Amino acid sequence: EDQVTQSPEALRLQEGESSSLNCSYTVSGLRGLFWYRQDPGKGPEFLFTLYSAGEEKEKERLKATLTKKESFLHITAPKPEDSATYLCAVQRRDSGYSTLTFGKGTMLLVSP
Amino acid sequence: KAGVTQTPRYLIKTRGQQVTLSCSPISGHRSVSWYQQTPGQGLQFLFEYFSETQRNKGNFPGRFSGRQFSNSRSEMNVSTLELGDSALYLCASSVLLGNEQFFGPGTRLTVL
Repeated sequence: EDQVTQSPEALRLQEGESSSLNCSYTVSGLRGLFWYRQDPGKGPEFLFTLYSAGEEKEKERLKATLTKKESFLHITAPKPEDSATYLCAVQRRDSGYSTLTFGKGTMLLVSP
Repeated sequence: KAGVTQTPRYLIKTRGQQVTLSCSPISGHRSVSWYQQTPGQGLQFLFEYFSETQRNKGNFPGRFSGRQFSNSRSEMNVSTLELGDSALYLCASSVLLGNEQFFGPGTRLTVL
């Protein structure tokens, strides 16, 4: 059974204080690891897809990296508008379907 | 390009009733997936459809059902509602199986 564990559950940062969110996973053949951002009362917003160990992707203050067992979402000099819940999900390879298995998320609060 | 739309956005039902939720995918997207999100369990997979065929089903009771139409629009139905069915129901679409999934805003279902 595929499993995704995110840590910490919640993180409070001061504006400009960089940090990282962790996503550990077990899956029988990874096709892709996905990061989403979710604001309260809204659907998840797609951020990144990572396909192979060593891959990195960046978008504004966010950088996602992938190893064979975990992924990190690095947030550099965060701003209050980065406050949201960040979700990690895995997709199994060669399954014939797109199903995502999600972690429970990290709730990030950035204070001015 | 319009995003994924879901109707209705909010719904209040009583135990024992049934409900139908609707999802219109992004134009050109042929795969639609449904997820249930609750504070305790996070995002859990319900079903996935591609070309009007159910490709995968999550671990939910038979009261939960769905279908996809020839224009890729999808509906899900929950019969004999229980209090525990209160949740945010999210629909996601992708171009093909295995691609990134883009989520709609969700339907907030409250069962009294």
